[in-house]
Amino acid sequence: GQQVMQIPQYQHVQEGEDFTTYCNSSTTLSNIQWYKQRPGGHPVFLIQLVKSGEVKKQKRLTFQFGEAKKNSSLHITATQTTDVGTYFCAQHGGSQGNLIFGKGTKLSVKP
Amino acid sequence: GAGVSQSPRYKVAKRGQDVALRCDPISGHVSLFWYQQALGQGPEFLTYFQNEAQLDKSGLPSDRFFAERPEGSVSTLKIQRTQQEDSAVYLCASSLGIRYSNQPQHFGDGTRLSIL
Repeated sequence: GQQVMQIPQYQHVQEGEDFTTYCNSSTTLSNIQWYKQRPGGHPVFLIQLVKSGEVKKQKRLTFQFGEAKKNSSLHITATQTTDVGTYFCAQHGGSQGNLIFGKGTKLSVKP
Repeated sequence: GAGVSQSPRYKVAKRGQDVALRCDPISGHVSLFWYQQALGQGPEFLTYFQNEAQLDKSGLPSDRFFAERPEGSVSTLKIQRTQQEDSAVYLCASSLGIRYSNQPQHFGDGTRLSIL
């Protein structure tokens, strides 16, 4: 069935280092969304990418959608302790627009 | 309210008991989704409502799971004869548009269900 593969599963960085998580699909995606879930919290929408090759920035976060619309990445520049959490990519699946989530990348930041 | 509200926040039940989980979506949101999130995993889709109509229940793991949204606002997820494998966080999400509007989903804090 449809699924998005997300790597790495875990990432431990020193504060100030960069971080990247990758999301890959075997099928062409109509769009992809990114969510962040803090420990003990709920997923919070970050961004949606729709166009082939699209790049969007939110302060220190850079989101990319591949040219073939089969992969996406989230890059955080100069991580801070507030970046701690699990980052999920998600694609729309099924017939009703429900989201299919990747397994997520859990980021920990050492001060 | 400002966001999606879920209750209870935590629920402990003995195996075999029935439980009911409540979701109060953002006012005016047409779409409502239920997801199940196991520890260390991403949320997995359970069911979808557009207003009061349950348009997709393909993710419900068994006929012990039942969901309703009778007036197109508050939704209840009921689990009958709970089993230990039902232990998880149950997340409710709502979005403004109808299916395929590709709008962001707003999640509640979830109900953490533990079956003893």
